[in-house]
Amino acid sequence: SQTIHQWPATLVQPVGSPLSLECTVEGTSNPNLYWYRQAAGRGLQLLFYSVGIGQISSEVPQNLSASRPQDRQFILSSKKLLLSDSGFYLCAWSVGAGVGETQYFGPGTRLLVL
Amino acid sequence: TQLLEQSPQFLSIQEGENLTVYCNSSSVFSSLQWYRQEPGEGPVLLVTVVTGGEVKKLKRLTFQFGDARKDSSLHITAAQPGDTGLYLCAGAWEGGGADGLTFGKGTHLIIQP
Repeated sequence: SQTIHQWPATLVQPVGSPLSLECTVEGTSNPNLYWYRQAAGRGLQLLFYSVGIGQISSEVPQNLSASRPQDRQFILSSKKLLLSDSGFYLCAWSVGAGVGETQYFGPGTRLLVL
Repeated sequence: TQLLEQSPQFLSIQEGENLTVYCNSSSVFSSLQWYRQEPGEGPVLLVTVVTGGEVKKLKRLTFQFGDARKDSSLHITAAQPGDTGLYLCAGAWEGGGADGLTFGKGTHLIIQP
């Protein structure tokens, strides 16, 4: 069966510090991978998605970046965090595209920027 | 911009009551998913519907996809405190690729014992 892991679970970082959140998927090959941010009252905001190694699409301009160094590894990074980067970050995976696509989520990382 | 509107935004009812939450759009979905999310956790998939008019049941939960595939509803019968959570709908648009899933803001449901 497929599983998805995220770490860390919780992170408190000062403004201006770097960020690295990691997501890994097990039990599937060549998944589509996604990073979302969830803020209260705003729903899930898609930040990045990737259909393969080294292929990253950005949905929202910001000071965050994403990388996919391996097939089942997706990393969310920042060189300098802003207060507005605080939120709940979710990684998700899917297979295929188009009709019937379903995404499966990881447990999330709670980020607090102070 | 394609939007998914969920209603109500908040709902608090007593244990044993029935409820329905809605997910609506002006655009046509190729598929739609419902998720439930508990505080501090990731959303968990409940169901995927792909055919207009489709009805799926998951124990006390009944999911319906509109005939025109623009809307969906989730009905819970005899709600229990364990049903408490954030219910999210997400739609995949016709012609969308891997990024084609858009989420509603969710319905916060509280079932009081």
